[in-house]
Amino acid sequence: DIVMTQSPSSLSVSAGEKVTMTCKSSQSLLNSGNQKNYLAWYQQKLGQPPKLLIYEASTRESGVPDRFTGSGSGTDFILTISSVQAEDLAVYYCQNDHSYPYTFGGGTKLEIK
Amino acid sequence: EVQLVESGGGLVKPGGSLKLSCAVSGFTFSSYAMSWVRQTPEKRLEWVAIIIGGGTYTYYPDNVKGRFTISRDNAKKTLYLQMSSLRSEDTAMYHCARHGSLYYSMDYWGQGTSVTVSS
Repeated sequence: DIVMTQSPSSLSVSAGEKVTMTCKSSQSLLNSGNQKNYLAWYQQKLGQPPKLLIYEASTRESGVPDRFTGSGSGTDFILTISSVQAEDLAVYYCQNDHSYPYTFGGGTKLEIK
Repeated sequence: EVQLVESGGGLVKPGGSLKLSCAVSGFTFSSYAMSWVRQTPEKRLEWVAIIIGGGTYTYYPDNVKGRFTISRDNAKKTLYLQMSSLRSEDTAMYHCARHGSLYYSMDYWGQGTSVTVSS
């Protein structure tokens, strides 16, 4: 199984700051046939199910603010929030959807100072 | 509006069985792959099953294979998860989720139904 490791486990920032969080996979998530990385990022707010933010490592889901950016390839991925807003308070999860079994990282909890 | 509503959760004894349902609306159910994903009390997310197309293809992680069965009734627009030989580690909130039409990721999730396995 592909192991997904996220860091840091939590971070606390002030509104307006830039945030980066990382996700590493134990195997490459790159499909050599189409050069797509099958890595997704989800945002989960308290009491809600996860919400898809980014798919294929860098494509923003419809309606997601452009302050959220996904990057990376192979085994190393980054989620960047360019200017954190109060409503970004949540846990962020990465997920392998390259191969079964689909696996998730342990999450990064974002707190707003 | 896309909606996914789970039901069927509850308290069950170890070794028992439970069948979860997920009623969907707002999209052509038969055209989408669907998954069940659970979230443990420790907030860890675990994918537990996927069904593709009409139900010909199903996949499971090893820890539920042989115990869980995913199925769908396209006419009723309902997804199911039959769970048997339940263990304490199956205790979680169970969400159904739709996979995107052009990509693999899960673009819509239900609120979930809670399953507790305890004697």
